[in-house]
Amino acid sequence: DTGVSQNPRHKITKRGQNVTFRCDPISEHNRLYWYRQTLGQGPEFLTYFQNEAQLEKSRLLSDRFSAERPKGSFSTLEIQRTEQGDSAMYLCASSNFLGHGTNEQFFGPGTRLTVL
Amino acid sequence: QQQVKQSPQSLIVQKGGISIINCAYENTAFDYFPWYQQFPGKGPALLIAIRPDVSEKKEGRFTISFNKSAKQFSLHIMDSQPGDSATYFCAASKEDNFNKFYFGSGTKLNVKP
Repeated sequence: DTGVSQNPRHKITKRGQNVTFRCDPISEHNRLYWYRQTLGQGPEFLTYFQNEAQLEKSRLLSDRFSAERPKGSFSTLEIQRTEQGDSAMYLCASSNFLGHGTNEQFFGPGTRLTVL
Repeated sequence: QQQVKQSPQSLIVQKGGISIINCAYENTAFDYFPWYQQFPGKGPALLIAIRPDVSEKKEGRFTISFNKSAKQFSLHIMDSQPGDSATYFCAASKEDNFNKFYFGSGTKLNVKP
C-alpha cells in the first residue's frame, strides 16, 4: 500500500498525559499537512511542512502541540498535557507540490484520540 | 469565522435518485474547490474538483456546478447508489504557496435501497 499511513489508529489516554502520533506520507511527496477533525465537522488545518520546514501553523495549534518532520520524510505530532478538548481525529495528508497546478492532498486514515 | 458553509447536514435519497449538496464561500481569492468523500473510519478521499474558470465539471455520475458570481458550488450525484452512502465535504483553497484547505462541515448522505 503506497498511500498515507498513520499510527496509531486509536489512542486512549488520561488527561495530562503526553501523546505522539506518526504520519508516513506518500513517498517523495514534499508537502505534509496535519488536520484535526471533530465529530460532525470537517477537517481543520493545523500545520504543514514543505520538506522538513514547518511553514505555517494555525492558531488552533496551542503551545502544547508540536510537530516535526525530520529529514522531510515522516512526521510526528505531539500533544503535551492532553485535555479532554483534544479528543478528535487527527488527519495527515501529503501532496507533491510543484509550484504550480493542482496540489491534490491525499489523506491518511487518521488517528482517533480519546482523552479521558 | 467559517470560510466555507455546507448544506444540508444530512441527506436521505432513494436509490437511483439525485443527491445535491451545496456549498458557499466568502473569500473571492479561492481558486480551487475539491469535494471529498469520507467513509467511516477512513480519511477523506478526493472525489472531484473544479476551478472557477469553468461552470461545470462532470466525472461519471458526479458533477460539480460552480457559480462564481454567487460564490456557490454544488455536488450532484446522479443515479445515487447505496455504495455512495458516506459523508461528503466541500473545500476551498487558494492555489498559492500555501494551499491550505478550508473544509465545509460535511453532509452525511444515506442512499436507501
